[in-house]
Amino acid sequence: GAGVSQSPSNKVTEKGKDVELRCDPISGHTALYWYRQSLGQGLEFLIYFQGNSAPDKSGLPSDRFSAERTGGSVSTLTIQRTQQEDSAVYLCASSLRTGAEQYFGPGTRLTVT
Amino acid sequence: KNEVEQSPQNLTAQEGEFITINCSYSVGISALHWLQQHPGGGIVSLFMLSSGKKKHGRLIATINIQEKHSSLHITASHPRDSAVYICAVSPPGQFYFGTGTSLTVIP
Repeated sequence: GAGVSQSPSNKVTEKGKDVELRCDPISGHTALYWYRQSLGQGLEFLIYFQGNSAPDKSGLPSDRFSAERTGGSVSTLTIQRTQQEDSAVYLCASSLRTGAEQYFGPGTRLTVT
Repeated sequence: KNEVEQSPQNLTAQEGEFITINCSYSVGISALHWLQQHPGGGIVSLFMLSSGKKKHGRLIATINIQEKHSSLHITASHPRDSAVYICAVSPPGQFYFGTGTSLTVIP
């Protein structure tokens, strides 16, 4: 069966541009999570969705970051006015329900030049 | 302040050795996760546990809720076990990650 997919796999953008990252969770998974892994640093939790709702957005690094999920499926993470410190691998995971085992996507490597 | 501390940071072992990676945390949690990340590869969830012990093949994970401590053990280690092992804890609605333990198993 299909796992979690993310697109694009790589994105190079100029500082100041907006980018949109996409996550397709495993079919039937109601919970979806976004994480960031900066070079040489650990994983950082950004936000999670239960269905289409994100109960807590305080993990997003700044107000330039936003995320949405529609139809209880695909999610997009949008970064406006990108900065060099936004360069990282952005990972998405999904689980059958909140608190269940997570399945990770391959990530989107974002490079801001 | 790190909510999750892992040790050791780096570990080199001979093939066949028994390996232990430790994780301590400072927050109340619903569950603790052990993740595996291969070089250039994705992340795989190895275990999710909230009490006791779980075993999967050569891997064993234990957790002591009172002491806020977990261990990941690898028996009969193999070069293909070489990866970064990450401990994560999940209080409700949040996730905190350790910095990972980089394991190299030499043939």
